Amino acid sequence: SQELEQSPQSLIVQEGKNLTINCTSSKTLYGLYWYKQKYGEGLIFLMMLQKGGEEKSHEKITAKLDEKKQQSSLHITASQPSHAGIYLCGAPDSGGYQKVTFGTGTKLQVIP
Amino acid sequence: DGGITQSPKYLFRKEGQNVTLSCEQNLNHDAMYWYRQDPGQGLRLIYYSQIVNDFQKGDIAEGYSVSREKKESFPLTVTSAQKNPTAFYLCASSIGTGAFYDYTFGSGTRLTVV
Repeated sequence: SQELEQSPQSLIVQEGKNLTINCTSSKTLYGLYWYKQKYGEGLIFLMMLQKGGEEKSHEKITAKLDEKKQQSSLHITASQPSHAGIYLCGAPDSGGYQKVTFGTGTKLQVIP
Repeated sequence: DGGITQSPKYLFRKEGQNVTLSCEQNLNHDAMYWYRQDPGQGLRLIYYSQIVNDFQKGDIAEGYSVSREKKESFPLTVTSAQKNPTAFYLCASSIGTGAFYDYTFGSGTRLTVV
């Protein structure tokens, strides 16, 4: 089965600083989702990437899938307190896209 | 507005009791999913359903049961056979399977065994 490892597990940054979260897969990715979760709440969809080398941006968040499709990175520019939360990557575990495996999450705190 | 509604938000259960968590969506999505979230373990798939009257076990189905009698509804029953039911439960839906669709999640139910 597929495993997704996220790093770092937790991150504390000062407001205005840039940061990067990584998601590494044990197998070639058919696609990759990024979600954000506030503590005790549901997941909010951020982006999905499918092609090797693909990069997408939404406001100050940019996600990229590497050419080999085994790693994705999420980059936040000029972090704000509103960016705080848990970031999770997820991937369909086969070409059938029937199930999604999620990483363990990265907890981000932004200090004003 | 379309979305997924999970209820209740908090649920307390005595040991030995069955409890049912509700999940309703008005997105006209065919596929629905139940995940369990524990600290440090991410989300783990319990059950999923691709179509009405059909569902499949996920990675941790033991001690849980589901039904899919209506497209909009996918209730999860946590039975007394589930040894460690205290967790945060998330329901999700997608347009379908067989392609790369994004998931829409509910706001979750926190179950505590007392």
